[in-house]
Amino acid sequence: DIQMTQSPSSLSASIGDRVTINCRASQGISNYLAWYQQKPGKVPKLLIYSASTLQSGVPSRFSGSGSGTDFTLTISSLQPEDVATYYCQKYNSAPWTFGQGTKVEIK
Amino acid sequence: QVQLQESGPGLVKPSETLSLTCTVSGGSINYYYWSWIRQPPGKRLEWMGYIDHSGKTNYSPPLKSRVTISLDTSKNQFSLKLNSVTAADTAVYYCARDWVFGVFDIWGPGTMVTVSS
Repeated sequence: DIQMTQSPSSLSASIGDRVTINCRASQGISNYLAWYQQKPGKVPKLLIYSASTLQSGVPSRFSGSGSGTDFTLTISSLQPEDVATYYCQKYNSAPWTFGQGTKVEIK
Repeated sequence: QVQLQESGPGLVKPSETLSLTCTVSGGSINYYYWSWIRQPPGKRLEWMGYIDHSGKTNYSPPLKSRVTISLDTSKNQFSLKLNSVTAADTAVYYCARDWVFGVFDIWGPGTMVTVSS
């Protein structure tokens, strides 16, 4: 099965900073990649699918890129409400698998 | 809008069967695929399996021998059974809608299940 690996596992950044989270698939998955945000104690929320398509209602400071095996989630200007753990997930074929998560904190 | 709600026991004894139900409200279960996803404390999300409106299922390989997902269209519900549970099955269990095949756009609030004697 395809494994999903995120980096870094955690990061601390200042309000207004540009934040980048990486996700690597162990095999090519085209653009079948989604990103989720999970705030502490909350339910995961879909942010991006098809690697770069923003889900309705998600702020435009979030963006995604990549194809094949390497993907990136970018927050252009970090806000206090962005404190969360972010997960990538591949869905080119079952089983659907998630990365281990990247925890984003405010410095 | 569509909402999902998990229900079932919060405590299960080792070697017994974990049973949960997800009730879909605000829309019909006769469309889309429906999945169970779990998250052990402090760990990543783990997809367990899905069922479609016709009852076709697909399970995660590591769990395939222990998992059954079923559908009750008359009640707009789908259910999860996980047998022979151990402490490693302690987790928050979520039901979710597969909006685009494999993309989860609506989640239930989750239910914590602890496996302990």
